[in-house]
Amino acid sequence: GENVEQHPSTLSVQEGDSAVIKCTYSDSASNYFPWYKQELGKRPQLIIDIRSNVGEKKDQRIAVTLNKTAKHFSLHITETQPEDSAVYFCAASSGGYQKVTFGTGTKLQVIP
Amino acid sequence: SAVISQKPSRDICQRGTSLTIQCQVDSQVTMMFWYRQQPGQSLTLIATANQGSEATYESGFVIDKFPISRPNLTFSTLTVSNMSPEDSSIYLCSVGGTGVLETEAFFGQGTRLTVV
Repeated sequence: GENVEQHPSTLSVQEGDSAVIKCTYSDSASNYFPWYKQELGKRPQLIIDIRSNVGEKKDQRIAVTLNKTAKHFSLHITETQPEDSAVYFCAASSGGYQKVTFGTGTKLQVIP
Repeated sequence: SAVISQKPSRDICQRGTSLTIQCQVDSQVTMMFWYRQQPGQSLTLIATANQGSEATYESGFVIDKFPISRPNLTFSTLTVSNMSPEDSSIYLCSVGGTGVLETEAFFGQGTRLTVV
């Protein structure tokens, strides 16, 4: 089955700096890569996703890149703000009706 | 996006008892999943709830411990049976997105279970 690894497990940045979280996956059949943000005590919320036919996707301060050959994908957050502090999970799926496999999570702390 | 109602939101249970968690979706969905999130950990898939047939369990999870029902396309239950303190966790219901590309997962608010 799919295995998703995520680094780093914790990340502290100063407000306004950029944050990068990296993930690798094992199953070459995976073609859908969502990222979730989970604030303390709340459910995971989808923040951005990318499909395997796209190499990069941006949404305001958030961007995701995908390298299918190397089987890795990354989340980039620019101009970080304190409200970006949360746990971020990468995930992978082979799409359609298939299950989503989650990475181990990154706890991001943005220091004001 | 799907709206998912999960209940109870939290419970404190005695060891040896069972708890049934309900998940209601506001639209028909093909796929429903149950996850466990232990404190400070990632989400681990327990099983896929299949409508009209037995659930599909992931490695390390068995039907006797986590029986699942899926009577229709909008509802599922997960029972945590014969609970022990190790079952203390957050349990989350998840559904695939509606529409042709049922890929992204939407989550219920979770059930925070404490076993004493």
